[in-house]
Amino acid sequence: NAGVTQTPKFRVLKTGQSMTLLCAQDMNHEYMYWYRQDPGMGLRLIHYSVGEGTTAKGEVPDGYNVSRLKKQNFLLGLESAAPSQTSVYFCASSPGLAGGRELFFGEGSRLTVL
Amino acid sequence: AQSVAQPEDQVNVAEGNPLTVKCTYSVSGNPYLFWYVQYPNRGLQFLLKYITGDNLVKGSYGFEAEFNKSQTSFHLKKPSALVSDSALYFCAVRGNQAGTALIFGKGTTLSVSS
Repeated sequence: NAGVTQTPKFRVLKTGQSMTLLCAQDMNHEYMYWYRQDPGMGLRLIHYSVGEGTTAKGEVPDGYNVSRLKKQNFLLGLESAAPSQTSVYFCASSPGLAGGRELFFGEGSRLTVL
Repeated sequence: AQSVAQPEDQVNVAEGNPLTVKCTYSVSGNPYLFWYVQYPNRGLQFLLKYITGDNLVKGSYGFEAEFNKSQTSFHLKKPSALVSDSALYFCAVRGNQAGTALIFGKGTTLSVSS
């Protein structure tokens, strides 16, 4: 019963490098989200997807790109990493918005940009 | 625009005493309200939610929350705190319009002393 799985769990990058975070869910959820968590800032929404092939910008989308080519996967890319992107990244999924369905979270990916 | 505020960065309570973690919200229309808990180096876990109906909502681990529409509040409560309740707690809100994402507060650290 995996739920939401994020890879990698830890990564150190140098400024200017690129990388991709992978989120996979096995619950057949329509909606997927990427948040970042910073001390004293709570969770801030980066991008989200309401279905396969769709993406939308959240509160802090700059510097990130996403893709949802398959329903079960949601990728977050950093094309040119900056120290300001040092954070813990959380992926989440939900069946949809009907009835106020809750989000299911992964365990997080800790990214450090030097 | 929707928003949520958690006015206390930290709440300290002795084991066995009642606890309250405060949350106020702003959203157009009727809100969907959620509480999540995060233990160190883990993802967020769903505690409870308010969609409609009874203003007192019961959730996991003995927690409950009271929805107050006039005060736009959704405070988390527990009659008798445990040391194991020590964690970071997030309140979240979503409006009932299609396509709106879940917005999180900045979090409140609960510390329960023995």
